[in-house]
Amino acid sequence: QVQLVESGGGVVQPGRSLRLSCAASGFTFSNYGMHWVRQAPGKGLEWVAVISSDGGKKYYADSVKGRFTISRDNSKNTLYLQMNSLRAEDTAVYYCAKDRALEGPPMDVWGQGTTVTVSS
Amino acid sequence: AIRITQSPSSLSASTGDRVTITCRASQGISSYLAWYQQKPGKARKLLIYAASTLESGVPSRFSGSGSGTDFTLTISCLQSEDFATYYCQQYYSYPQTFGQGTKVEIK
Repeated sequence: QVQLVESGGGVVQPGRSLRLSCAASGFTFSNYGMHWVRQAPGKGLEWVAVISSDGGKKYYADSVKGRFTISRDNSKNTLYLQMNSLRAEDTAVYYCAKDRALEGPPMDVWGQGTTVTVSS
Repeated sequence: AIRITQSPSSLSASTGDRVTITCRASQGISSYLAWYQQKPGKARKLLIYAASTLESGVPSRFSGSGSGTDFTLTISCLQSEDFATYYCQQYYSYPQTFGQGTKVEIK
């Protein structure tokens, strides 16, 4: 079945970096756009970034632009989120999700999330 | 960014009740709206997309309506497995944005 499994979360100090991974299985990964979405403690969902199926197009939320980089390795069926210059406000559960259709959103399958805590 | 206002933030209902949740977008989004269900410990589940199209496998007691700025999710006959948190999301433009969620609790 279609599955997304995030990893790489943890506790990190402000200003440091972290890379999240999302391992995909059960579908042709290279055909679909992929997203990162986060949810801070007690807050709502915040869309973070999207990457097209071939990696050629990327969009970011203003809150992470210039600090986070989304990428993918279609040969490994894996999505990444490189997070630099982390801030306390980046503390959240990070989810990866796939586009429902070849043409694009909405997201139809989500992972269970990985927790990132930015704290000194 | 397009703001999505979802209401109510929570509601109490009984099995068999009809439940309605609304989302209002700060500008027109055509029918580019999705609804998701979230249960503790489980991955988020897509229920409805394109405002009113039921995702495969989703029970027909769920329905969505609306276009432009005003949208509604209706659960026609609430079942025990429907007690969860529901979110709407616009995907008309980036950044995609979500409503704040509605927690449906047992009365």
